Amino acid sequence: GPKVLQIPSHQIIDMGQMVTLNCDPVSNHLYFYWYKQILGQQMEFLVNFYNGKVMEKSKLFKDQFSVERPDGSYFTLKIQPTALEDSAVYFCASSPGLGSTGQLYFGEGSKLTVL
Amino acid sequence: QQQVRQSPQSLTVWEGETAILNCSYEDSTFDYFPWYRLFPGESPALLIAIRPVSNKKEDGRFTIFFNKREKKLSLHITDSQPGDSATYFCAASGAGNTRKLIFGLGTTLQVQP
Repeated sequence: GPKVLQIPSHQIIDMGQMVTLNCDPVSNHLYFYWYKQILGQQMEFLVNFYNGKVMEKSKLFKDQFSVERPDGSYFTLKIQPTALEDSAVYFCASSPGLGSTGQLYFGEGSKLTVL
Repeated sequence: QQQVRQSPQSLTVWEGETAILNCSYEDSTFDYFPWYRLFPGESPALLIAIRPVSNKKEDGRFTIFFNKREKKLSLHITDSQPGDSATYFCAASGAGNTRKLIFGLGTTLQVQP
């Protein structure tokens, strides 16, 4: 079936550094998402992106977070600067639409460890 | 406060039995309830979904039973197979212009041969 690819699968960085998580969504999808899962907790919505704009973001989407998808390339989540509490698995998802056909397809996650 | 709750946290059944995974939610405006399945090392994948206009949705061995009044739903897996062993997430979303899913913590199912 359709695949969402995430790069890297795992990254370890020092607190205060910048990190960029990359997502290659399903090719004809229009809506893109990031979810965050801290160990032992549920997956939580971070942000939804469509037509070059953030549509909705949660309170977890701090000012240090940003997303973009320049010219149809990777959909990225950038954290600058990182904090210890940013350690989590970040899941990217994409969907073709928002209605009943708006199934979300998830990637395998990028595990971020902030030391 | 968790908006979507799942129980049990883990469940073990024998091959051939029916596994029942429970889910409840807080927000009565939720109008879409997908279940996602996660195998270790893979990505969460949509298994089956229901909208409140129905109280039952069936797909092969997987059935969702939905009780709108009590804000509860359950996923029944009949004739469970060892290959069904995975973590199952109940999720919910409301009407609006985004597909913002609220996930539960998941139920880890183990099917013993």
